[in-house]
Amino acid sequence: GAGVSQSPSNKVTEKGKDVELRCDPISGHTALYWYRQSLGQGLEFLIYFQGNSAPDKSGLPSDRFSAERTGGSVSTLTIQRTQQEDSAVYLCASSSPGLMAFFGQGTRLTVV
Amino acid sequence: RKEVEQDPGPFNVPEGATVAFNCTYSNSASQSFFWYRQDCRKEPKLLMSVYSSGNEDGRFTAQLNRASQYISLLIRDSKLSDSATYLCVTSYGNKLVFGAGTILRVKS
Repeated sequence: GAGVSQSPSNKVTEKGKDVELRCDPISGHTALYWYRQSLGQGLEFLIYFQGNSAPDKSGLPSDRFSAERTGGSVSTLTIQRTQQEDSAVYLCASSSPGLMAFFGQGTRLTVV
Repeated sequence: RKEVEQDPGPFNVPEGATVAFNCTYSNSASQSFFWYRQDCRKEPKLLMSVYSSGNEDGRFTAQLNRASQYISLLIRDSKLSDSATYLCVTSYGNKLVFGAGTILRVKS
């Protein structure tokens, strides 16, 4: 597709379970970002990938959060032992370095 | 200090009003600047890039002041449909940094 694709669009999980969120960036975009947005709040930066460089993980809130990007394309954000405070919309964006970013429609995660 | 700072608002304005938002950034080496718009429960979308000489797109005017390290967005003749959160974005190296956004509510 032409845009950033995220899956699933909605995910309900039980507290303590692990979840994986997927992001397919725009083809050719070397930069990929993950953000989290709680209801009524601003974007919270989580992690940034740029090409083959080491990712900027400075925004990950705890060691329960991890992300990888395979082959410089698809990225997976994994949350282990989910907690209720992890409930939020998780947004992925991709760009060419320093240029405008395009967002996916997000994954709405609800931890019950 | 945050890398990008915005007044969260909300700015409540009547239809037809002119409204301006400012955004300050901390990295003097930033090269790229953008304004994004985010509607409720939607993903952010690019509104316009910001160029050094300033640029206009219809009712929207963006300006950059490198000396003072701020960016502005001016919206003329506000419409109800302009109600949204406006995000200021700068580059930090190759990485884009988003502000927390300014809420605009246009009322009839």
